[in-house]
Amino acid sequence: GENVEQHPSTLSVQEGDSAVIKCTYSDSASNYFPWYKQELGKGPQLIIDIRSNVGEKKDQRIAVTLNKTAKHFSLHITETQPEDSAVYFCAAAGANSKLTFGKGITLSVRP
Amino acid sequence: NAGVTQTPKFQVLKTGQSMTLQCAQDMNHEYMSWYRQDPGMGLRLIHYSVGAGITDQGEVPNGYNVSRSTTEDFPLRLLSAAPSQTSVYFCASTWALTGTNYGYTFGSGTRLTVV
Repeated sequence: GENVEQHPSTLSVQEGDSAVIKCTYSDSASNYFPWYKQELGKGPQLIIDIRSNVGEKKDQRIAVTLNKTAKHFSLHITETQPEDSAVYFCAAAGANSKLTFGKGITLSVRP
Repeated sequence: NAGVTQTPKFQVLKTGQSMTLQCAQDMNHEYMSWYRQDPGMGLRLIHYSVGAGITDQGEVPNGYNVSRSTTEDFPLRLLSAAPSQTSVYFCASTWALTGTNYGYTFGSGTRLTVV
């Protein structure tokens, strides 16, 4: 089955700096790669996703890049703000809609 | 439009007790799933369903049962609770069109403690 690895497990950045979170996946048949943000006491919320026919996608301060050859994808957050502090999960899925998640990274943005 | 609703939000069980975690969605999603979240383990798939009457096992199904009698509801049953089932449980749903994936909508979770 699919195996998604996420690293690092924690990341601390200064407010205004950029943050990059990287994930790798194992199944070359995976074609959908979403990112979720989880705030304390809440369920994960989809913040951006990318499909295998696209190399990059942007939405305001966040972007995701995908390298299918190397089987890795990354989340980029620019101009970080304290409200970006949360746990971020990457995931991968093939045609069966079954998502496999990474273990999550705790992002802390220092004011 | 409520999205995905999970009940209860918190529950304490004694070892050996049984209970059902409820999940309901009002978005007409075909695909529903249950995950458990444990520290350092991320989200692990317990069971999932691609439509009414169809269920399948995920990564960690032991000790849990599911059924899908309607499109809207996907309850998770703990048959005989064990301390190892102490976790936060999330239900999620999405459309499930062949060959196309869409983002999951998650519920707010059920925090279960088994003593």
